[in-house]
Amino acid sequence: GENVEQHPSTLSVQEGDSAVIKCTYSDSASNYFPWYKQELGKRPQLIIDIRSNVGEKKDQRIAVTLNKTAKHFSLHITETQPEDSAVYFCAALFSGNTPLVFGKGTRLSVIA
Amino acid sequence: DAGVIQSPRHEVTEMGQEVTLRCKPISGHNSLFWYRQTMMRGLELLIYFNNNVPIDDSGMPEDRFSAKMPNASFSTLKIQPSEPRDSAVYFCASSLISGEKLFFGSGTQLSVL
Repeated sequence: GENVEQHPSTLSVQEGDSAVIKCTYSDSASNYFPWYKQELGKRPQLIIDIRSNVGEKKDQRIAVTLNKTAKHFSLHITETQPEDSAVYFCAALFSGNTPLVFGKGTRLSVIA
Repeated sequence: DAGVIQSPRHEVTEMGQEVTLRCKPISGHNSLFWYRQTMMRGLELLIYFNNNVPIDDSGMPEDRFSAKMPNASFSTLKIQPSEPRDSAVYFCASSLISGEKLFFGSGTQLSVL
């Protein structure tokens, strides 16, 4: 069945460094890949998304890249700040009338 | 818009009791999703609706779980009878286009003792 693998499950970086989270998906027909950020005790919130006809998208310090051939996409956070500490979820929308499939999440800790 | 509204925010109940979680999606959104979140299993999709019609309930763990969406502005998730293993955070989410740009509610923290 449709599957999204996300790694690492935990990631610690020093403030100011970059963080990269990677996801792979199983269905080559997938066409929509969002990323959600969930702060402790809060709801998941969409932070950036990309469609399959685009290879990269940036929004200030965050960027997402997509490699359709390899069926993986990544979230890049530059110049990390303590407020970036959260759990990040990738997701993929598979073909057909199916909802988003989420990865298991990455707990990012930015150490000041 | 106030976003997706869920109630209650916290629910503590005893095993065997009925629990009803409520959700008001964003006005105009056509799709509504119920998720359960635990440390062990992450975000699990329980059921989703398009235009008030249940599309896929394969994620509902057991017959003890049921969900309804009587109109475009209201949905309920019911657990009867509740068990301690049902303890989790339950999120409702809605979207304008099925599966894209989900907006989540604040969640209901359910504790079954």
